[in-house]
Amino acid sequence: GAGVSQTPSNKVTEKGKYVELRCDPISGHTALYWYRQSLGQGPEFLIYFQGTGAADDSGLPNDRFFAVRPEGSVSTLKIQRTERGDSAVYLCASSHRTGGNSYNEQFFGPGTRLTVL
Amino acid sequence: GDSVTQMEGPVTLSEEAFLTINCTYTATGYPSLFWYVQYPGEGLQLLLKATKADDKGSNKGFEATYRKETTSFHLEKGSVQVSDSAVYFCALSDQGGGADGLTFGKGTHLIIQP
Repeated sequence: GAGVSQTPSNKVTEKGKYVELRCDPISGHTALYWYRQSLGQGPEFLIYFQGTGAADDSGLPNDRFFAVRPEGSVSTLKIQRTERGDSAVYLCASSHRTGGNSYNEQFFGPGTRLTVL
Repeated sequence: GDSVTQMEGPVTLSEEAFLTINCTYTATGYPSLFWYVQYPGEGLQLLLKATKADDKGSNKGFEATYRKETTSFHLEKGSVQVSDSAVYFCALSDQGGGADGLTFGKGTHLIIQP
């Protein structure tokens, strides 16, 4: 079946501009995660959705970053007033997680490479 | 907070060599541990996992044992192939400790030469 998809695969923007990155999770997955992977680093957690609500946004670096998931499926990560330091690969993952402490495998998308000039 | 430390790369080996990639962790709760792999041009894939102490995760000839006493989860393979060339990430999930996302190490780039 279809995996997690992300669009665009590459995005080049200028400093100060606004960008939106889209994630289509695996159908039926209730949990959705966003991560940021800078060059030479491992992915860093940004935000976790359970259904439509952001259950944990503790990883968002500042108030320029915002994410939504209005219908509990597709999610959009929004970055305002982009800075050169925002350049990274933004990864999305989804899982069957239903709550509690048991782990459900996260399936990752291919990522969106964001370059801020 | 939680953290994962893994050996720096790149690691270059000849085909059929024995592989070890070290990984140690700190966690608030009792984490589950994972190795993810990223092949060239592809997304992150789960390679193996272990959810409690002394569990051994295994897949595709790779193994890792959850060692609580040494807070380690080292990845091993007895005989590597050129097709194993990839970036390997050690990671933990500490939902019991209040962390919803995975915590990753920096990754180890493995290069296998024929």
